[in-house]
Amino acid sequence: GENVEQHPSTLSVQEGDSAVIKCTYSDSASNYFPWYKQELGKGPQLIIDIRSNVGEKKDQRIAVTLNKTAKHFSLHITETQPEDSAVYFCAARGGSYIPTFGRGTSLIVHP
Amino acid sequence: NAGVTQTPKFQVLKTGQSMTLQCAQDMNHNSMYWYRQDPGMGLRLIYYSASEGTTDKGEVPNGYNVSRLNKREFSLRLESAAPSQTSVYFCASSRDLRYTFGSGTRLTVV
Repeated sequence: GENVEQHPSTLSVQEGDSAVIKCTYSDSASNYFPWYKQELGKGPQLIIDIRSNVGEKKDQRIAVTLNKTAKHFSLHITETQPEDSAVYFCAARGGSYIPTFGRGTSLIVHP
Repeated sequence: NAGVTQTPKFQVLKTGQSMTLQCAQDMNHNSMYWYRQDPGMGLRLIYYSASEGTTDKGEVPNGYNVSRLNKREFSLRLESAAPSQTSVYFCASSRDLRYTFGSGTRLTVV
């Protein structure tokens, strides 16, 4: 089955800096890559997703890039704000019906 | 719209007790899921239901059972709780692979 590795497990940045979270996947048939944000005490919420026919997607301060050859994808957050502090999960959907999640990255944005 | 509603939000059980976690969605989604979240382990799939009337095992199904009661409701049952089942449980539903998660149930088994 699919295996998703996510790095780093913790990321600390200053407000206004950029943050990058990287994920690698194992199944070359994977075709859907979502990112979820989980705030403290809440369930994860979808923030952006990308399909394998697209190399990059942007939504305001967040963007996701996909490198199918290297089998990795990344979340980029620019001009970070304290409210960006949360746990971020990547996921990849391979040959099975269900996406496989990474183990999460705790992003801390210091004011 | 409420989205995905889970009850209860918190529960403490003694080892060997049973309980059912309830989940309901009002988005007319076909697929529903149960995940558990443990520190450093991410989200692990327990069971899922691709459509009303079907259920399938996920990555960590041992010790759990599920029922897809109708299109809206998907319950998770622990028949004999064990301390290893202490976790935060999330229900989710999806359309086109885009998940909507509930707010979770924090379960402690003592």
